[in-house]
Amino acid sequence: AQSVAQPEDQVNVAEGNPLTVKCTYSVSGNPYLFWYVQYPNRGLQFLLKYITGDNLVKGSYGFEAEFNKSQTSFHLKKPSALVSDSALYFCAVRGPLNNDMRFGAGTRLTVKP
Amino acid sequence: NAGVTQTPKFRILKIGQSMTLQCAQDMNHNYMYWYRQDPGMGLKLIYYSVGAGITDKGEVPNGYNVSRSTTEDFPLRLELAAPSQTSVYFCASWAAGDLYGYTFGSGTRLTVV
Repeated sequence: AQSVAQPEDQVNVAEGNPLTVKCTYSVSGNPYLFWYVQYPNRGLQFLLKYITGDNLVKGSYGFEAEFNKSQTSFHLKKPSALVSDSALYFCAVRGPLNNDMRFGAGTRLTVKP
Repeated sequence: NAGVTQTPKFRILKIGQSMTLQCAQDMNHNYMYWYRQDPGMGLKLIYYSVGAGITDKGEVPNGYNVSRSTTEDFPLRLELAAPSQTSVYFCASWAAGDLYGYTFGSGTRLTVV
């Protein structure tokens, strides 16, 4: 079975500060990991992915994520947060033998000016 | 490209009524998915399809049915609406080998009263 946990419902940071949104996963085999962002009344938008290769992956809008196999984690990071980064963030995993993706419960990021 | 198109955007149903949520994609993706999003629960997979004529149950299929007669369309049918089906429904598509994950529709907000 594949699953994702996002331990924080809410993350609050001040504009200009670094941000981290946490994600851990469980899957059989090597994982395919994704981060998506959802703005109000919109569908999910792809941010970045890890399939193989370098553990640090860079994505849209200055976001990056670090794959840690030993800790089964894939935390989303950004060096300097913007107010416009405020949104709902979802981590997702797909196993190599699976046809579908499983999502975490989401973390609401609020960046205050 | 239109991407993934969902209709309607909003709908209010009475208990026991039936309706079909429409989903169409113009990217020739073979995989299509239906998720529901409940507050604090993330996205739960209802049904998915790996190609025309092939469908399979996800995590929460009870109360729903799907069909996939063409590559482009993947409608979701609610036969006897119940208040527990009040949710936001998202359709997504994916092409095998596409490393950018799913493309999501903008969602259908359904309220059952």
